[in-house]
Amino acid sequence: SQQGEEDPQALSIQEGENATMNCSYKTSINNLQWYRQNSGRGLVHLILIRSNEREKHSGRLRVTLDTSKKSSSLLITASRAADTASYFCATAMKSSGDKLTFGTGTRLAVRP
Amino acid sequence: GAVVSQHPSWVICKSGTSVKIECRSLDFQATTMFWYRQFPKQSLMLMATSNEGSKATYEQGVEKDKFLINHASLTLSTLTVTSAHPEDSSFYICSARKQGINEKLFFGSGTQLSVL
Repeated sequence: SQQGEEDPQALSIQEGENATMNCSYKTSINNLQWYRQNSGRGLVHLILIRSNEREKHSGRLRVTLDTSKKSSSLLITASRAADTASYFCATAMKSSGDKLTFGTGTRLAVRP
Repeated sequence: GAVVSQHPSWVICKSGTSVKIECRSLDFQATTMFWYRQFPKQSLMLMATSNEGSKATYEQGVEKDKFLINHASLTLSTLTVTSAHPEDSSFYICSARKQGINEKLFFGSGTQLSVL
């Protein structure tokens, strides 16, 4: 079953703009991760945030986590055409051991 | 780095035949491998969890006899789609968890299966 719901489903922005994607989940988590998928390819891990963390940065990526609202956001600053991809959040739930459950994904298109 | 190689990238087969997909961790030992199925523009659906030397754990609704998983070594897991039918056409992706790193996953590049 889908643990994470992401919005928007699709996002189109101009190069240089910031892109924000949101993920909501339903049950308690150990950590939340963000992955990127280029069309027809596997996923690449971007960033992991633990349940006791509120914000994390990695290069142009900024992730926030609000466990009280059961939500997370991924911000990509100064977007580039190469950022065009699908982005998925994935949650490691306390109840499911080491399995990750993936969200519905956001398809990001960055126009040059 | 941690590289996961998945082969083949794409396969076309006739209905009723079996197809084997390999997932190899090239530069690390994978205690656990996962197999996912993905339909166009949709999320990944976990099919099964594969642990080296033991039987795979299948998710609810996934037929064990249809999707055979073998994890014979710490670097190789295989998924065999038996007696494939057109409805099995999908994108299959494997991922591996590195020994000692129990959080993030390393993904193969996926296999597009088309059953005619």
